[in-house]
Amino acid sequence: DIVMTQSPLSLPVTPGEPASISCSSSQSLLHSSGNHFLDWYLQKPGQSPRLLISFTSNRASGVPDRFSGSGSGTDFTLKISRVEAEDVGIYYCMQALHTPTFGQGTKLELK
Amino acid sequence: EVQLVESGGGLVQPGGSLRLSCAASGFSSSGYWMSWVRQAPGKGLEWVANIKQDGSEKFYVDSVRGRFTISRDIAKNSVYLQMNSLRVEDTAVYSCARSVGWSGMDVWGKGTTVTVSS
Repeated sequence: DIVMTQSPLSLPVTPGEPASISCSSSQSLLHSSGNHFLDWYLQKPGQSPRLLISFTSNRASGVPDRFSGSGSGTDFTLKISRVEAEDVGIYYCMQALHTPTFGQGTKLELK
Repeated sequence: EVQLVESGGGLVQPGGSLRLSCAASGFSSSGYWMSWVRQAPGKGLEWVANIKQDGSEKFYVDSVRGRFTISRDIAKNSVYLQMNSLRVEDTAVYSCARSVGWSGMDVWGKGTTVTVSS
């Protein structure tokens, strides 16, 4: 199984400031198609997860452009350009190259 | 409205069985891979199983392979998870989700709670 490791696990952020979450995989997520099979999800308190980004950098429908994803090989990053109150929750990366596995989650909270 | 609604959860003793259902509405689930994802109390997300659009391929996480079976009924626009030989560690909220491929689960249900306890 591919192991996904996120850091940090806790992320206090001042509203309006940027935030960054890292995700590393135990093996490359590069598919023969040229895409990296890495998704990002946000689970707000009391809600189901919501897809933010697929294939490393493709924002899902309705996701604000302050969210961006990047990376290649085994190292990936989710960036929020300016954190808003509605961004609070737990962020998960997930690889879909093989049977899917999630990272441990990063809890973003406001300072 | 595009929606997934799970049902069938409950309290069951270790070794028992449950069958979870996931009803799709507002779209045809036959156009999507369908997955089950679970979340144990206070824990993170764990993908459990998925099934291809035509039901020809099914995949499972190691911890449930041989005990759980995923299936789908195109006519009923539904997906199921038959869970046998349940263990205490299977206690979780089970949610279904759709994706075009394996990547990008863009619609999720609210989940149904499974509690395995004596």
